Amino acid sequence: DSGVTQTPKHLITATGQRVTLRCSPRSGDLSVYWYQQSLDQGLQFLIHYYNGEERAKGNILERFSAQQFPDLHSELNLSSLELGDSALYFCASSAWDGEETQYFGPGTRLLVL
Amino acid sequence: DAKTTQPPSMDCAEGRAANLPCNHSTISGNEYVYWYRQIHSQGPQYIIHGLKNNETNEMASLIITEDRKSSTLILPHATLRDTAVYYCIVRVDSNSGYALNFGKGTSLLVTP
Repeated sequence: DSGVTQTPKHLITATGQRVTLRCSPRSGDLSVYWYQQSLDQGLQFLIHYYNGEERAKGNILERFSAQQFPDLHSELNLSSLELGDSALYFCASSAWDGEETQYFGPGTRLLVL
Repeated sequence: DAKTTQPPSMDCAEGRAANLPCNHSTISGNEYVYWYRQIHSQGPQYIIHGLKNNETNEMASLIITEDRKSSTLILPHATLRDTAVYYCIVRVDSNSGYALNFGKGTSLLVTP
């Protein structure tokens, strides 16, 4: 158990819909990272937040957004969903900005029908 | 970004040492080598990391060559539960913050 929690574990929705994925980092960790893992793309970095502020963006679509709240939990919002958004979504946390040891949650499996 | 090259797959007999190689010939002097593994769609699990010196923890050992162009992750006594995809990662620099670039990894199969 990494100490990172993610909800929900599974999510099934329809194209065009919007969903919110939630991540609670390890106690005391200030950084949260989001990654997407699809069959054809592998594990890809989406976005990084540190202590409530966005620090870096990776291959994140404009339809996706994220935020980190004062209690340090983070949410990833996916809108106008397409079939190709079906994937595993992982969040990871680390102690501080630049601390490279990231600890991953169990992931949310999203299926868009 | 320093890229890594790993064999796509390897086999290892249970109880034997598993030696997983990684080439990172373009690594910069201040970049660390990290190893993670992913067991069947679970969240990636941190194993070990190092800069120049060899490192050992309760899970594995990491051997980095003197020129730092390659490294080897050693699982000293592989068990069936070590069957996973193993990723060798070199720290991505500031363009992507501190994201991890996972690549394709090595699929390790531990057999009875």
